[in-house]
Order: sequence, then C-alpha cells, then structure tokens
Amino acid sequence: QITLKESGPTLVKPTQTLTLTCTFSGFSVSTSGEGVGWIRQPPGKALEWLALIFWNDDKRYRPYLKSRLTITKDSSKNQVVLTMTNMDPVDTATYYCAHRSGYTSGTFDYWGQGTLVTVSS
Amino acid sequence: DIVMTQSPDSLAVSLGERATINCKSSQSVLYSSNNKNSLAWYQQKPGQPPKLLIYWASTRESGVPDRFSGSGSGTDFTLTISSLQAEDVAVYYCQQYYSTYTFGQGTKLQIK
Repeated sequence: QITLKESGPTLVKPTQTLTLTCTFSGFSVSTSGEGVGWIRQPPGKALEWLALIFWNDDKRYRPYLKSRLTITKDSSKNQVVLTMTNMDPVDTATYYCAHRSGYTSGTFDYWGQGTLVTVSS
Repeated sequence: DIVMTQSPDSLAVSLGERATINCKSSQSVLYSSNNKNSLAWYQQKPGQPPKLLIYWASTRESGVPDRFSGSGSGTDFTLTISSLQAEDVAVYYCQQYYSTYTFGQGTKLQIK
C-alpha cells in the first residue's frame, strides 16, 4: 500500500525559504516509471501543480515558479524534498505531495494528507 | 500552460438524479502515439486530499463506483455521476497531464 506524508514548518516569514519533506512507503522512487510531485492549494482555492521528480532524476517545474523551486530525492530514505525560496503571503497554502503513476494512470494516484503553510511576519 | 476551464462553477442536483460537469482544455490533450487523452478527474471533500476518480479521460480508478463515468476527447470532456448519492457532495477537478499538469478551477457539487 502506498502512503505519503508531508512535513515541514507551519509558519514561515516573508522572504524566507520553505523546505518541505515528503516521506513515503509502498514504492521506490528509483524504480523505473515512478515519480513524486508537489501540488498546493491556497485556502478555498483550486489545486496548483508545482514540481515533479522522476525515477531517473528528471525534474519538471511549473514555469512561472521555476526560479524559486528545487525538488530533490533521497531514494535510500524514501523521501522527496521541495524547497521554495523568497516566500510571500500569497504562497500560503496546503502543500501536498503525491505519487505519480508511470504505468497505469500517468498522473497522481496517491496523495498525502497535506500540510498547511502560512506565510506571515 | 494548458488552461483547463470547468463549467459550471457550482451545481445542485437532487439525490438519485444525474450530475454532469464539463471541462475544456485550451489545446488538445490527445496523445497521437497511444490515442489516449491525458485527462483526469478528482474528487475533493472538505479537509481531505483529492481522490483520483478517472484517468485517460474514461478509465475508472480501482474502487471508484460505476456511477462515475468520464467521456470526451481532444479538448472537451465530461464527468457524469449517473445517480447522485449524498456522499458525492464534493468539489470536482479536471486535470490535464499532456504537458506537465494543470487543474481546472473546480466545480462544487451540492444536493438540491
């Protein structure tokens, strides 16, 4: 069974860097076809995909956020880390990590519960 | 980015009646190589993460009730709930994965 869980700070100040960790089980991110993505959702608003890392370390970013985002993986720890620089109050959102299925759906089939990050001084 | 536009923004349907949600993409999401549409539907209930319902535009995810169905191709897609149940009250999102990932703005489904 695939599970994912996000962890990180609940409150960050403007201009600070956010670091979120996704710890997962039930699959290996080094197995061909696998991937882990990050998606966020501001309170009361729609979902927004941010970044994705593939089993072969290929990475994709949302274009307008690319300069602020970095996604990395540690296969030995079953973790994927997202960093977002220069945080702003508009970045206040619930941040989700999700498993990207390479062989069935081609999209995000398992999600973590999410972690709410508030950006405020 | 491919822009996904859903209609309506909100919908109220009586229990047991049909609910239909539409989704339009700004460009085709049909892969010519496999003739599949890279379009998914998600259901999100308050305080919960999204749940994958439909992928490749019309394939139900394992465990999803068969009252949920997806249809469409190219740029126009539909999610249909054939007989609305109380537990179907949620926000529904379409998502394209033809070129990275983008979601629609969501459709809030309520009971009339």
